[in-house]
Amino acid sequence: AQSVTQPDIHITVSEGASLELRCNYSYGATPYLFWYVQSPGQGLQLLLKYFSGDTLVQGIKGFEAEFKRSQSSFNLRKPSVHWSDAAEYFCAVGARGANNLFFGTGTRLTVIP
Amino acid sequence: DVKVTQSSRYLVKRTGEKVFLECVQDMDHENMFWYRQDPGLGLRLIYFSYDVKMKEKGDIPEGYSVSREKKERFSLILESASTNQTSMYLCASSLTRGQGGYTFGSGTRLTVV
Repeated sequence: AQSVTQPDIHITVSEGASLELRCNYSYGATPYLFWYVQSPGQGLQLLLKYFSGDTLVQGIKGFEAEFKRSQSSFNLRKPSVHWSDAAEYFCAVGARGANNLFFGTGTRLTVIP
Repeated sequence: DVKVTQSSRYLVKRTGEKVFLECVQDMDHENMFWYRQDPGLGLRLIYFSYDVKMKEKGDIPEGYSVSREKKERFSLILESASTNQTSMYLCASSLTRGQGGYTFGSGTRLTVV
């Protein structure tokens, strides 16, 4: 069965510190992987996506993610967090030919000065 | 800028009312989706549509129906609203099966009293 696990419900980091948000997936087919960000009261915005090729993908707002097939992971990273990065982050998995994505339950990021 | 527009940001309805949530996209996308978002549960797929007049049930279709008479518009209908349908509702669209990269609307926060 398809599933996405985001093991951290809530993470707090200091502004300027590095960030890594974890995502593990279970999917029968070759996965397409996504990270979305949701600011309070807003919809979700696509940060980055992986379909194939280079396993390190760059996204918007200085984020990157690395696909590790052996670990079934797609962790999101940012070298230096800004206060405006405070939001909820969702990992999602889909596949070629599939109609819909499966989402994790999200990780809420708090940034302290 | 491409957009998915949800007609209401906040909605308060009474138990038993018939409720319509409207979603319009201007990107000529084939696929459209309705999710509900609840704390700790992430995003759960209610219904989706990959063509006009086509619809498929998602993970939690009970108590909901949908309508897609035109490509750009996808409506979610609560036939008889109940308090357990109080939630954030998110509409999304995408261009191609399996390519993901959903574009989300800003969401409708529905409260049923």
